[in-house]
Amino acid sequence: QSALTQPASVSGSPGQSITISCTGTSSDVGGYKYVSWYQQHPGKVPKLMIYEVNNRPSGVSNRFSGSKSGNTASLTISGLQAEDEAYYYCSSYTGSSTLVFGGGTKLTVL
Amino acid sequence: EVQLVESGGGLVQPGGSLKLSCAASGVSLSIYEMNWVRQSPGKGLEWVSYISSSGSIIYYADSVRGRFTISRDNAKNSLYLQMNNLRAEDTAVYHCTREHIAARIYAMDVWGQGTTVTVSS
Repeated sequence: QSALTQPASVSGSPGQSITISCTGTSSDVGGYKYVSWYQQHPGKVPKLMIYEVNNRPSGVSNRFSGSKSGNTASLTISGLQAEDEAYYYCSSYTGSSTLVFGGGTKLTVL
Repeated sequence: EVQLVESGGGLVQPGGSLKLSCAASGVSLSIYEMNWVRQSPGKGLEWVSYISSSGSIIYYADSVRGRFTISRDNAKNSLYLQMNNLRAEDTAVYHCTREHIAARIYAMDVWGQGTTVTVSS
């Protein structure tokens, strides 16, 4: 199972909105609604930000939102803040009942 | 506070074996699906294995199938990963993760700090 494709890096200024893409195939992202997004700060464990494409766990800011179109899922962060600077990983259920992660995207807040 | 604490990592030679454990506190794991996820130094996340709450459904990544075995003991509130025939590419920090109760599958809302496995001669 190949990793999902994410941009290596994205950047934005405080207050702006950014979107991170996550591209797979019809056997994973395109075929199921079980896409999640994780935020990981250096030296910390990942934190679940979005599950099932567009659901936020309790306690996650509503500045974070998810969507999906075809084989590509997206994470949008609005009102960018310095604390959002981190790595972001997408993941998707696959047709083999396994899980595949994206390669990760480094978000830099300028 | 919910905590997952992994143990059992260490340095092992190629072809060797290790058994990782994950102990939970602050929550009963018996109703939760669980996973092992690993992260190589400076690299991304790689899912390793899943086990249902009862232990009756198990999935593995292709890279570990046939070498690793996931199990759980709900009475001991613990999760395990038996790793055999270890390879250099298995070197990573191994995290025990709990699935979000409201999600259907593969949404991991609690992560342990991890235990480091190094496979080297």
